[in-house]
Amino acid sequence: DAGVTQSPTHLIKTRGQQVTLRCSPKSGHDTVSWYQQALGQGPQFIFQYYEEEERQRGNFPDRFSGHQFPNYSSELNVNALLLGDSALYLCASSLAGDNYGYTFGSGTRLTVV
Amino acid sequence: QQQVKQSPQSLIVQKGGISIINCAYENTAFDYFPWYQQFPGKGPALLIAIRPDVSEKKEGRFTISFNKSAKQFSLHIMDSQPGDSATYFCAPGTYKYIFGTGTRLKVLA
Repeated sequence: DAGVTQSPTHLIKTRGQQVTLRCSPKSGHDTVSWYQQALGQGPQFIFQYYEEEERQRGNFPDRFSGHQFPNYSSELNVNALLLGDSALYLCASSLAGDNYGYTFGSGTRLTVV
Repeated sequence: QQQVKQSPQSLIVQKGGISIINCAYENTAFDYFPWYQQFPGKGPALLIAIRPDVSEKKEGRFTISFNKSAKQFSLHIMDSQPGDSATYFCAPGTYKYIFGTGTRLKVLA
């Protein structure tokens, strides 16, 4: 039973560039949530996708956008990268209607230089 | 803004000792109270969780105590082992979970 898969595992980008991170949810899950985890901090909620629509959003600027595909996989896009965007980006999947927490992937480590 | 406060920030325990981590929340609408364990380079993994209709839940060496009136819940790790050394997060919520700032636990051999 495959868990949550994220790609790439590591990424280095230059300030001002754009980046796309990808996530495949756990088999049977239909909801994907994205979190940003700065070094030494707890994960911060970015947004959640269900039925290909953004269902909830945290306190992140519009530079952060996402997409969910019919197969439930998801992308996180960040435009105009800032040094402060350097973090571990975590994808978590769940089943809509099941309030039983998330299954997380191992994350994508983004470094902006 | 929803606040979740976790304490202590770090904890050092001898092997075989008891580790206790606390979490306080504000939103009374939360109805799921989990603890996650995270090892370096990995994503958080669900460790144990409780619903508000019970005051305590035990799974092996891990116990959650829940105080609804005080809006607090805690994680107790009995017989702590070096392999428990990790960062622990509380993340209460309802379909969307708000993470605490984390507690870095080190268990000395």
